[in-house]
Amino acid sequence: QSVLTQPPSASGTPGQRVTISCSGSSSNIGSNTVNWYQQLPGVAPKLLIYSNYQRPSGVPDRFSGSKSGTSASLAISGLQSEDEADYYCGAWDDSLNGVVFGGGTKLAVL
Amino acid sequence: QLQLLESGPGLVKPSETLSLTCTVSGGSISSSNYYWGWIRQPPGKGLEWIANIYYSGSTNYNPSLKSRVSISVDTSKNQFSLRLTSVTAADTAVYYCARSYGSNNYYYYYIDVWGKGTTVTVSS
Repeated sequence: QSVLTQPPSASGTPGQRVTISCSGSSSNIGSNTVNWYQQLPGVAPKLLIYSNYQRPSGVPDRFSGSKSGTSASLAISGLQSEDEADYYCGAWDDSLNGVVFGGGTKLAVL
Repeated sequence: QLQLLESGPGLVKPSETLSLTCTVSGGSISSSNYYWGWIRQPPGKGLEWIANIYYSGSTNYNPSLKSRVSISVDTSKNQFSLRLTSVTAADTAVYYCARSYGSNNYYYYYIDVWGKGTTVTVSS
């Protein structure tokens, strides 16, 4: 069982907006910033959103992040076929003194 | 551009020790506010954080693996390494080395550079 909770799957059609949730606790999301990683099939994960809502250079503004209390969300607007991937949330956990991840959400573009 | 490259045996026997090294190129391992660590991903499963180390030698470990794991850094070679003892089939995974940015209290902590990963299989 992962420390952070994500839905195992999500889906949408091209052009739609989808959101992926990430639920944690006071020792992780409630205390620290949240990051999102995108893992395309067969390759290493890539940083998608950091510090709750910041986008690294090169990440389209179709991707956005937010956080409230002990939960966070990733939103993808204008869904494209190349967005099919696994998405993971992550944060530092003050009780465990380490990084915790969600179990991952597999996004399908129908 | 910073690059990380994992190296080590792809096959380890049960009960033996898994040893991996990550070589950092295009930047210094001694940079302030950057941590160096390992994450693994069993086949078909999610990400599991293993450990990190600062260039000074300060470390953090996943409590579930702490009794079997050690991480070390060699600043002269711009490398850091992972050792995992008493491996079982459950340790079969893709192992990624990575760089993380971390503020002093870890309020901001994110993994911004990943290696390509190396597959380690535990089998006799």
